[in-house]
Amino acid sequence: KQEVTQIPAALSVPEGENLVLNCSFTDSAIYNLQWFRQDPGKGLTSLLLIQSSQREQTSGRLNASLDKSSGRSTLYIAASQPGDSATYLCAVRLSSGYSTLTFGKGTMLLVSP
Amino acid sequence: SAVISQKPSRDICQRGTSLTIQCQVDSQVTMMFWYRQQPGQSLTLIATANQGSEATYESGFVIDKFPISRPNLTFSTLTVSNMSPEDSSIYLCSAIARTGTYEQYFGPGTRLTVT
Repeated sequence: KQEVTQIPAALSVPEGENLVLNCSFTDSAIYNLQWFRQDPGKGLTSLLLIQSSQREQTSGRLNASLDKSSGRSTLYIAASQPGDSATYLCAVRLSSGYSTLTFGKGTMLLVSP
Repeated sequence: SAVISQKPSRDICQRGTSLTIQCQVDSQVTMMFWYRQQPGQSLTLIATANQGSEATYESGFVIDKFPISRPNLTFSTLTVSNMSPEDSSIYLCSAIARTGTYEQYFGPGTRLTVT
């Protein structure tokens, strides 16, 4: 059974700092991995999707990497801003399309002005 | 991408009643899902909504409690039946777009409080 772990569970940083969120998964036979952002009481916003054949994806100040063989992904946020404060969720999909996403418990990020 | 809307956005319901949540996607999607997120927890998959047939439920969830419909490729409903305070959660609709990448999208959620 796939298990997804996210470290740290919570992170507090001053504005402007670069930071890394970590995600690990137990079964390396994944189809893809997604990083989501969730604001309190809201739905999930897809940030980055990495297919199993890819090593990284970038969107603006966000960069996600994937090392499938070691079962790890990182989400790098450059020059953090207070608006980045949210919970970040990592989720993996095991097989081609029709398997479900397995979610980590998330990292709660607080960026202080 | 797919834009997903849900109605209602929130509701406060009395114990023993039922609530139906609607989910509308702005484009045809391959698969639709319903998730529950209890306070302070991550997401739990309730079921996969299948077009024109019965939904596929995850362990611990049953059709009598959470009946689901999906009459077409862009619309689904989830009913939370005979509610109790333990059903107080955020309910999220989700879908995989027909892009071949299997990127999954989520609606804004329905915040349900049962008193």
